[in-house]
Amino acid sequence: QVTLRESGPALVKPTQTLTLTCTFSGFSLSTSGMCVSWIRQPPGKALEWLARIDWDDDKYYSTSLKTRLTISKDTSKNQVVLTMTNMDPVDTATYYCARIRIQPYYFDYWGQGTLVTVSS
Amino acid sequence: QSALTQPASVSGSPGQSITISCTGTSSDVGGYNYVSWYQQHPGKAPKLMIYDVSNRPSGVSNRFSGSKSGNTASLTISGLQAEDEADYYCSSYTSSSTQVFGGGTKLTVL
Repeated sequence: QVTLRESGPALVKPTQTLTLTCTFSGFSLSTSGMCVSWIRQPPGKALEWLARIDWDDDKYYSTSLKTRLTISKDTSKNQVVLTMTNMDPVDTATYYCARIRIQPYYFDYWGQGTLVTVSS
Repeated sequence: QSALTQPASVSGSPGQSITISCTGTSSDVGGYNYVSWYQQHPGKAPKLMIYDVSNRPSGVSNRFSGSKSGNTASLTISGLQAEDEADYYCSSYTSSSTQVFGGGTKLTVL
């Protein structure tokens, strides 16, 4: 069965770089059409799409956060890594990774999310 | 990309039907049949309820249905039940090959 799990620091300081890892099972990112996205949700607020990496290593980013985000994959480890630079308290959120496939482009499996707090 | 527009809240009594709208542009909702809907209970990850505008994944109640007209998609829940009380989000593929979510709608079952 498909599972995803996010891991990373619960607390980061302003200006630091956040590195989150999504470890998944039940599918392969080397399979044509498979992709993984990162999505975040500040406390009490809406979901916000951040980035996507495709099986062919194509990468896509939120326009508003593009300069701060980098997404990468390690197919052999079944992991996707998201880095976000210059963290700010407004980046405090639960960060989710989710599987998505090319055409039909919906998030069918989600991780449980990891809360990241940005505070000095 | 700007967030899709959803009403902040909707409510209904048990047994009634409600509809949540999701308005975008011709670059997202109106341009593709790749609209999906997610249910999120407090403290939980979102759950896929509708994909490709109107398709239900296996296991999702047929009380949930989706549609689209122009740049606006809609989620209808019929025969409201207490367990339907949750936040609902729409999402669409965009012309930039990215995804965008709506601002979310809080459904209250009276």
